[in-house]
Amino acid sequence: KAGVTQTPRYLIKTRGQQVTLSCSPISGHRSVSWYQQTPGQGLQFLFEYFSETQRNKGNFPGRFSGRQFSNSRSEMNVSTLELGDSALYLCASSLLGSANNEQFFGPGTRLTVL
Amino acid sequence: GENVEQHPSTLSVQEGDSAVIKCTYSDSASNYFPWYKQELGKGPQLIIDIRSNVGEKKDQRIAVTLNKTAKHFSLHITETQPEDSAVYFCAARGRDDKIIFGKGTRLHILP
Repeated sequence: KAGVTQTPRYLIKTRGQQVTLSCSPISGHRSVSWYQQTPGQGLQFLFEYFSETQRNKGNFPGRFSGRQFSNSRSEMNVSTLELGDSALYLCASSLLGSANNEQFFGPGTRLTVL
Repeated sequence: GENVEQHPSTLSVQEGDSAVIKCTYSDSASNYFPWYKQELGKGPQLIIDIRSNVGEKKDQRIAVTLNKTAKHFSLHITETQPEDSAVYFCAARGRDDKIIFGKGTRLHILP
């Protein structure tokens, strides 16, 4: 069974631009969660989608948004990029939701904002 | 919301010795505590988890203990091996169903 895939793996953007990251969950998994990982703050929860609906949301500004498609693939978008948005963005899929099921993480997208 | 503290941030142990990583949480309603291992260039991988109705769980060389009264839980790795070198994260699920992670422990296994 293929694991969680994330594209692109690396991305360089400049301040003010916007970016879209993509995540394909494990086949059959309906939940996708997104996390931001930085050396200073560690792993921070962004949001979780289940069956195309946002189920939960972390404490990030509205510049961070996401969506999930009918095939469970998910995208997250960051608008008006800031230097502090440089991070590893991880997505994780689970069968029915992160609250009660094991999450499987992808390798992440490394975003650098210049 | 939930807050998870993890100690130590760095841990070095001789190969074959045991390693212990400790975490505390703030939300008394938390009932699910997973532990993840992250190797360089990879996403975190679940290595063991424990639910609040259990005090201890073991899987080969890895064990986790939970003290609900004190609101802390620990990861124990026995007979450490070079491949145990990685960053380990504890996490807790709060009453709002969000999974909150500790800041991580970088474990070095010394030859």
